[in-house]
Parts: sequence; C-alpha cells; structure tokens
Amino acid sequence: GENVEQHPSTLSVQEGDSAVIKCTYSDSASNYFPWYKQELGKGPQLIIDIRSNVGEKKDQRIAVTLNKTAKHFSLHITETQPEDSAVYFCAATPLDTGRRALTFGSGTRLQVQP
Amino acid sequence: ETGVTQTPRHLVMGMTNKKSLKCEQHLGHNAMYWYKQSAKKPLELMFVYNFKEQTENNSVPSRFSPECPNSSHLFLHLHTLQPEDSALYLCASSPSEATNEKLFFGSGTQLSVL
Repeated sequence: GENVEQHPSTLSVQEGDSAVIKCTYSDSASNYFPWYKQELGKGPQLIIDIRSNVGEKKDQRIAVTLNKTAKHFSLHITETQPEDSAVYFCAATPLDTGRRALTFGSGTRLQVQP
Repeated sequence: ETGVTQTPRHLVMGMTNKKSLKCEQHLGHNAMYWYKQSAKKPLELMFVYNFKEQTENNSVPSRFSPECPNSSHLFLHLHTLQPEDSALYLCASSPSEATNEKLFFGSGTQLSVL
C-alpha cells in the first residue's frame, strides 16, 4: 500500500518568511495529492490539492509542487502570517484504481513567530 | 464551520463503559468516514460508508462499532475500550466515495479512556 513520509515534524519561521514542507510517497499509482491545515481544536481543512497531470499549483500565498519522477511533493507558504500557525498534513491516493482512501503524512507543526 | 458537526467534543470513559460518538453533515454528501488521530501519528482511516453502505473497515477492533442510518448521520459505538484507544476521533464527509479527495472534517471528539 501507499506510504507517505512528511518532513519536518516541526517548523518555526519568522513572520514574513517562507515555509516549505516536503512529502514523499511510495506508490507510483498515486495521482492526487491534497494538503490539509488543522488549527487548534478543529478538524483538518483542505487548503490546496494537485493532480499528477500538473507540476505546480498556486493559490495566493500557498503553492504546491509535484515531482512525479522523484515521488515527492511540497507545500510552499510565502509571506507567512501568525494565522498560518497550525499543523499541516499532506496526503496521497491513487484515484481511479478502486482503492481511493487517502494516506496521510504524520503532520508538520508550523509556528510563525510575530 | 465545515458543515460537519460532531458530538460530544470531549468524552471521558472507563474501560467498561458503553458510549457513542455522533456525526452529522449538512452538505448533502453521500460518503462519511471515521478517522482516528493519535499524537504524532498519521490520520488513520477506520471506516467508510458510501450511500449508507459500509465499504471499508480498516481492520478496526470490534470494540468499535459504526452505524450509518442515513447519508447525513454517522455513529461510532464504543464498548470495552482500552487506554490506548484514547485519541481524537474525526468524522468526515465527501460528495461520494469516488470523490473522497474533497474531505470535509468535523472538529472531532477528544476521547480519554481511563
């Protein structure tokens, strides 16, 4: 089955700096890669996702890149703000293969220092 | 507000108790999920229901018993739990199991087993 590794487990940056979180996956059939943000006391919320037919996707200050050959994908947050502080989870799944359950990484706790 | 409501938010129970977790979604989705979130571990998928039918049981012990009376409601019945079952239990929904990439999570029930 799929295995998703996520690094780093914790990340502290100064407000205004960029943050990068990286994930690797094992199943070459995986073709959908979402990122979820979990704030304290809340459930994870989808913030951005990418499919394997594109290499990069951007939404305002967040972007995701995908390298299918190396089987890794990354979340980039620019101009970080204190409200970006949360736990971020990557996930992967091979859609259209009959086994669609998301496999999540273990999470990255991002702390943005004001 | 994600449209997925879980009750109770917190639950403390002894190993011999019987309790139930409740989840309700107001999004018109047809698939519902139970996930277990333990500290420093990836989100673990427990059960999937699609159009009220259970489609996945991820080798979950029988002391956890799900129930899905309709597409809007999902329950997790708990009986004879162990201290290692203490975790955050998250409910999620998606338009259908085929589109499980767009998961909407509730805020979870923080369970402590004494």
